[in-house]
Amino acid sequence: EVQLVESGGGLIQPGGSLRLSCAVSGFNVSSNYMNWVRQAPGKGLEWVAVLYSGGSTYHADSVRGRFTISRDNSKNTLFLQMNSLRADDTAVYYCSSVPGLSLSYYMDVWGKGTTVTVSS
Amino acid sequence: DIQMTQSPSSVSASVGDRVTITCRASQRISSWLAWYQQKPGKAPKLLIYAASSLQSGVPSRFSGGGSGTDFTLTISSLQPEDFATYYCQQATSFPLTFGGGTKVEIK
Repeated sequence: EVQLVESGGGLIQPGGSLRLSCAVSGFNVSSNYMNWVRQAPGKGLEWVAVLYSGGSTYHADSVRGRFTISRDNSKNTLFLQMNSLRADDTAVYYCSSVPGLSLSYYMDVWGKGTTVTVSS
Repeated sequence: DIQMTQSPSSVSASVGDRVTITCRASQRISSWLAWYQQKPGKAPKLLIYAASSLQSGVPSRFSGGGSGTDFTLTISSLQPEDFATYYCQQATSFPLTFGGGTKVEIK
């Protein structure tokens, strides 16, 4: 069964760091374009970062230089390292997948999300 | 970045109604558009990709249309389980961008 399971969220003080994990089952994390998408309380969806199957990455302007997406192929897991956290990073963070060999970047598999709260 | 604008931001409708949501892209995106449904406390669910292709398992009362810059999502006969928030997303280039969402509420 294809499944994404996020973990690692929690309450963190401004300026702190947190690493989110997304355990992938049913396919190889290296075969698809893997993404992080977040949703602030009561707000819409915001794309955060992508890790291409070839290993290149791209981050949204709002997190570039502070967040880093990566993967561990041996553990079939996607990560999001979040540094210098700010209050406006408070959100539910979803891991999602773009199908392999897709001609366009739609996300057909999503995890249930993990909540990050940045507050003193 | 490509900006996505959805309208309306909310709509009140009754079971059995036909509901249409529109999405406009700030530049032409061919047919590279997706629609998602999200219920409170849940992850988004893919409904439509490539503007009009129905994702496996999604009821046929959902349909998508359009190309270029203007797109629609139509629910032909609203069911109780369809009350949710709907988002469009341009799927042509990174950074991926979403519309602001349309909340479909019970009248």
